[in-house]
Amino acid sequence: GEDVEQSLFLSVREGDSSVINCTYTDSSSTYLYWYKQEPGAGLQLLTYIFSNMDMKQDQRLTVLLNKKDKHLSLRIADTQTGDSAIYFCAEMLSDYKLSFGAGTTVTVRA
Amino acid sequence: EAQVTQNPRYLITVTGKKLTVTCSQNMNHEYMSWYRQDPGLGLRQIYYSMNVEVTDKGDVPEGYKVSRKEKRNFPLILESPSPNQTSLYFCASSLQGSITEAFFGQGTRLTVV
Repeated sequence: GEDVEQSLFLSVREGDSSVINCTYTDSSSTYLYWYKQEPGAGLQLLTYIFSNMDMKQDQRLTVLLNKKDKHLSLRIADTQTGDSAIYFCAEMLSDYKLSFGAGTTVTVRA
Repeated sequence: EAQVTQNPRYLITVTGKKLTVTCSQNMNHEYMSWYRQDPGLGLRQIYYSMNVEVTDKGDVPEGYKVSRKEKRNFPLILESPSPNQTSLYFCASSLQGSITEAFFGQGTRLTVV
């Protein structure tokens, strides 16, 4: 199958770290992505990781990839109110197609 | 400014009345695609196009048509809309499929009554 699964909701206090988890099914996926969708807007690519990497860090964002378990996570350090959004995990399938998860709605509370 | 433009942003229509949602990109991208976003289901691909005159079905193509006569435009056509096509639609484009960054439009919220 081509299912990408992620939890639907996450609530986090401002200043804390957020961790969003995702599992995917296609072991041949070469790229895995995290997209952010702010209210009323389209999707914006946050970061991506190549399948031969275990970790990628980009400022406040850390992506961890466990290829054996097909598990991907996104950690946002020092979460801010502007981080409130829906976050989508996506895998690139071999035929130029992105398969998205259902999205995790992150709510940052003061 | 590099962008993907969809029109209209909001549309309410009646069952069976043909409609077209336009999508235009100004980045000279070869690859374009349409998705629908439904609560709890994420984004599902409807159709995609690798280049001019090259289109293919995605995961949920039933009830939709597309055309790619020019590189910049990729309209989505609903010949006979039904209420189960009420959804939020996104157009996306990229240089080479999903290997590079996909740029998304702002979305079109369609309601079919």
